[in-house]
Amino acid sequence: AQRVTQPEKLLSVFKGAPVELKCNYSYSGSPELFWYVQYSRQRLQLLLRHISRESIKGFTADLNKGETSFHLKKPFAQEEDSAMYYCALRGSTLGRLYFGRGTQLTVWP
Amino acid sequence: KAGVTQTPRYLIKTRGQQVTLSCSPISGHRSVSWYQQTPGQGLQFLFEYFSETQRNKGNFPGRFSGRQFSNSRSEMNVSTLELGDSALYLCASSLASPDTQYFGPGTRLTVL
Repeated sequence: AQRVTQPEKLLSVFKGAPVELKCNYSYSGSPELFWYVQYSRQRLQLLLRHISRESIKGFTADLNKGETSFHLKKPFAQEEDSAMYYCALRGSTLGRLYFGRGTQLTVWP
Repeated sequence: KAGVTQTPRYLIKTRGQQVTLSCSPISGHRSVSWYQQTPGQGLQFLFEYFSETQRNKGNFPGRFSGRQFSNSRSEMNVSTLELGDSALYLCASSLASPDTQYFGPGTRLTVL
């Protein structure tokens, strides 16, 4: 069965510190993985997709098929990074997204 | 391009009533998906439409239904509302299916 696990419900770091939001998944096939972010009072928006292999707002994420993980990383956190982050998985043929429960990141000044 | 829009943004209903929520996708997008977001269950998939056809349905009772029109706009309907239906209902559109989904602001439904 498809499942996305974000083990940390809350994560706090100080400004300038590195941050890593964990995401593990289970899926029998080749999924696509995404990170979505929701800032306070804003809509859910796409941050990264693994096939793009790009860095957005300083964030990167690498798909590790051996460990079935897709952790989100940023070397130097900023206060404006404070938000709810969701990891999501999509199978190969349908548009349905499976979401993790989300991690609330707080970056302290 | 304008983003995904959802109407109404807030809705209060009583148990037993029915409700219709509307979603207008990004111009040119042909696929619309619906999700329910609650503190207890998180984000759960309701259904996906592409070119007026339902492609996929989540594990929700038959009281939840939807449709898509020829202009790609979509509606979802919940009949015989229950207290547990109180949630934020999110609509997402994509150019095709499967493809990257872009979310609307949601409709906050409160059932009293």
